[in-house]
Amino acid sequence: DTAVSQTPKYLVTQMGNDKSIKCEQNLGHDTMYWYKQDSKKFLKIMFSYNNKELIINETVPNRFSPKSPDKAHLNLHINSLELGDSAVYFCATTPPNTGELFFGEGSRLTVL
Amino acid sequence: GENVEQHPSTLSVQEGDSAVIKCTYSDSASNYFPWYKQELGKRPQLIIDIRSNVGEKKDQRIAVTLNKTAKHFSLHITETQPEDSAVYFCAASRESGYSTLTFGKGTMLLVSP
Repeated sequence: DTAVSQTPKYLVTQMGNDKSIKCEQNLGHDTMYWYKQDSKKFLKIMFSYNNKELIINETVPNRFSPKSPDKAHLNLHINSLELGDSAVYFCATTPPNTGELFFGEGSRLTVL
Repeated sequence: GENVEQHPSTLSVQEGDSAVIKCTYSDSASNYFPWYKQELGKRPQLIIDIRSNVGEKKDQRIAVTLNKTAKHFSLHITETQPEDSAVYFCAASRESGYSTLTFGKGTMLLVSP
């Protein structure tokens, strides 16, 4: 039973389209994140949510809009996709007051 | 905010050799320093971590050392095996509240048989 699951795993789309990636965790943690991993493997925090509330937005363009319908889900919607959005997007969660991250398997987005 | 520098970016060793990856951090309030291993096409997974109340921690062939005064920490892998080949990330954070992990840029370790 996967602790952090993301869908889809692969997404290929054209520039200008709108797409969503979904994330669900069954660990009962309050805090969830989206990280972006670019082609150089650099892992960068995008958003952090705690119990459905946005905590951190690391200067991500407005085209990216996270949504947390409940504390077990954190979805990422991207409008007007650009070539530079091509990356692997990782959802993650962490227990209270610890730094350890549990990552999902990642969603590889390719924008053509 | 926190800034984590990691070196080297790539590291090639022969099977059985040791490998050392070094990181420095900028925020003196950081107190949690994990290391993640990411195999090709997989998610990053925690392999070992250290908190600022200890200077060294070991788990079988891997060990991590921390020097809070100098603000650097290192990962040591002994008796490397081909399955150790992966990208390794160091990270740092304040382990409280809503602090998030800041990652280094990763080290690609290649262990040749």
